[in-house]
Amino acid sequence: AQKVTQAQTEISVVEKEDVTLDCVYETRDTTYYLFWYKQPPSGELVFLIRRNSFDEQNEISGRYSWNFQKSTSSFNFTITASQVVDSAVYFCALRDTGGFKTIFGAGTRLFVKA
Amino acid sequence: EPEVTQTPSHQVTQMGQEVILRCVPISNHLYFYWYRQILGQKVEFLVSFYNNEISEKSEIFDDQFSVERPDGSNFTLKIRSTKLEDSAMYFCAIPGFSGGASDTQYFGPGTRLTVL
Repeated sequence: AQKVTQAQTEISVVEKEDVTLDCVYETRDTTYYLFWYKQPPSGELVFLIRRNSFDEQNEISGRYSWNFQKSTSSFNFTITASQVVDSAVYFCALRDTGGFKTIFGAGTRLFVKA
Repeated sequence: EPEVTQTPSHQVTQMGQEVILRCVPISNHLYFYWYRQILGQKVEFLVSFYNNEISEKSEIFDDQFSVERPDGSNFTLKIRSTKLEDSAMYFCAIPGFSGGASDTQYFGPGTRLTVL
């Protein structure tokens, strides 16, 4: 069965701090996709990144970076120099390459205080 | 990022009533997905729809739910007889620009359903 675990329910940081959101996944499939979505207070789900299981290169996009480690089944997300606008719920998600449904973790609520 | 709109943005209904939620992608898509999010909880898959047929559904998607593409562009989710526990945000999703099942799913703004 597929499962995504985000052990951190809430994180609170002060602006300009770095913060890492953890994600651990389980799947029996050999090929799959991993995602991060952001849900700001307005409620929409905003796509941030997708990673294919065969591509373990880490990725950086501005202040965001992602660390994919297949050996530990983890796909962690780091925000560098956090800003108040980063305050949101962040969801890690998984989908196998042959499937249609995306499995979401429970989400991590990030509070960034000024 | 492909665009999709959902109507209504908020629907309030009485228990036992039927509701229809609509999803309208800006460009033509063959794949559609519905998810729901009970307040404060995780996003859960309901159903995927390809070429006018259900391709996969979850255990949540029971006989009370149905999906269809009534006019070739709109994509609807119907709940026949709503229950209090159907109160949630319902998201429609479409694949990215390649339009295929393997593509990233992009979500609409959601419809908040409140069942009284």
